[in-house]
Amino acid sequence: EDQVTQSPEALRLQEGESSSLNCSYTVSGLRGLFWYRQDPGKGPEFLFTLYSAGEEKEKERLKATLTKKESFLHITAPKPEDSATYLCAVQAETGANNLFFGTGTRLTVIP
Amino acid sequence: KAGVTQTPRYLIKTRGQQVTLSCSPISGHRSVSWYQQTPGQGLQFLFEYFSETQRNKGNFPGRFSGRQFSNSRSEMNVSTLELGDSALYLCASSFFDEQFFGPGTRLTVL
Repeated sequence: EDQVTQSPEALRLQEGESSSLNCSYTVSGLRGLFWYRQDPGKGPEFLFTLYSAGEEKEKERLKATLTKKESFLHITAPKPEDSATYLCAVQAETGANNLFFGTGTRLTVIP
Repeated sequence: KAGVTQTPRYLIKTRGQQVTLSCSPISGHRSVSWYQQTPGQGLQFLFEYFSETQRNKGNFPGRFSGRQFSNSRSEMNVSTLELGDSALYLCASSFFDEQFFGPGTRLTVL
């Protein structure tokens, strides 16, 4: 059965304090791993898609990496506006288009 | 380019009633997926429609149904509402693999 585990559940950082969020996954053939950001009361906002082990993608202060069993979202010198819940999801090779989500990491960046 | 729109944004219903939610995908996107988000379960897949056909379905009871129209707009219906159906219902549209979410409809069942 597909499974996605995100850690930590919550993370508090001082502004400028870099850190990483973890997403461990089990899926019967990975088609893609997705990172989203969700602000309270809003829908998830697409950040990255990773397809194969070793792949990396960057966007502003965020960098996502992928191995065969996990993905990391590195946040460099975060700002208060980076505060949000970060969601990881996997899509299996079965041909179905649905995403299987983890429960997210709630990030708070303190000025 | 306009994003995914969902209507209504908020709904309050009572147990036993039924509800219909609407989703308009990004122009050109033919796939629409629906998800339920609750604090306890997180985001869970309901179903996906592509070219007016249900292509995939999650593990939800038959009270949850949907359809897609020729213009790719989609609706989902929940009949005989239960208290546990209170959630944020999210619609996502996709062209290839990447799914773009709407703002959601917050359903409260009293």
